[in-house]
Amino acid sequence: AQSVTQPDIHITVSEGASLELRCNYSYGATPYLFWYVQSPGQGLQLLLKYFSGDTLVQGIKGFEAEFKRSQSSFNLRKPSVHWSDAAEYFCAVGALNRDNYGQNFVFGPGTRLSVLP
Amino acid sequence: NAGVTQTPKFRILKIGQSMTLQCTQDMNHNYMYWYRQDPGMGLKLIYYSVGAGITDKGEVPNGYNVSRSTTEDFPLRLELAAPSQTSVYFCASSYRHRRQETQYFGPGTRLLVL
Repeated sequence: AQSVTQPDIHITVSEGASLELRCNYSYGATPYLFWYVQSPGQGLQLLLKYFSGDTLVQGIKGFEAEFKRSQSSFNLRKPSVHWSDAAEYFCAVGALNRDNYGQNFVFGPGTRLSVLP
Repeated sequence: NAGVTQTPKFRILKIGQSMTLQCTQDMNHNYMYWYRQDPGMGLKLIYYSVGAGITDKGEVPNGYNVSRSTTEDFPLRLELAAPSQTSVYFCASSYRHRRQETQYFGPGTRLLVL
């Protein structure tokens, strides 16, 4: 079964600074990888996803993530953080069920991002 | 498209009461999911469905039931509410394209059991 860890529970950065949120996964085959963002009181919004191909994936709101198979990582980055980026960020791994019906989606515990003015 | 909608947004239940959380999607997705989110725990899968008439248990199904009579609707039923079911519940739907699948989430239902 797959698993996801997000080592940082809470990160604080200054507005305009760069950001990197870490995500490590455990899965025996090539995973499908996702980053979601959740603003307070809201649902989860998909930022970006990786299925195959180019390991550097561009998403919405200026985010990108890089899949590194050797490190089992899918870290999320943004070169310049805006105050509106303050939210909870979830990394997720998807893998086909054994019967090929649907996927098992496993979510990490989340990283809360605070942005200082 | 409205996407995935959930009702109610917030509900308080007494122990032992029952309720149904509604979830509807208008994207004609075959796959639908129910998750619960507890603080610091990420999302845990309760039940999922791969199409009308087909449902299966996820990681934490105890105390819940689901049905899927139509493609659009995937209600979650709590029969005997317990304080341990206090959580935020998210419904999601997805489609598959060449074995690739992306989930889209509703806004959530916050449930408090007292």
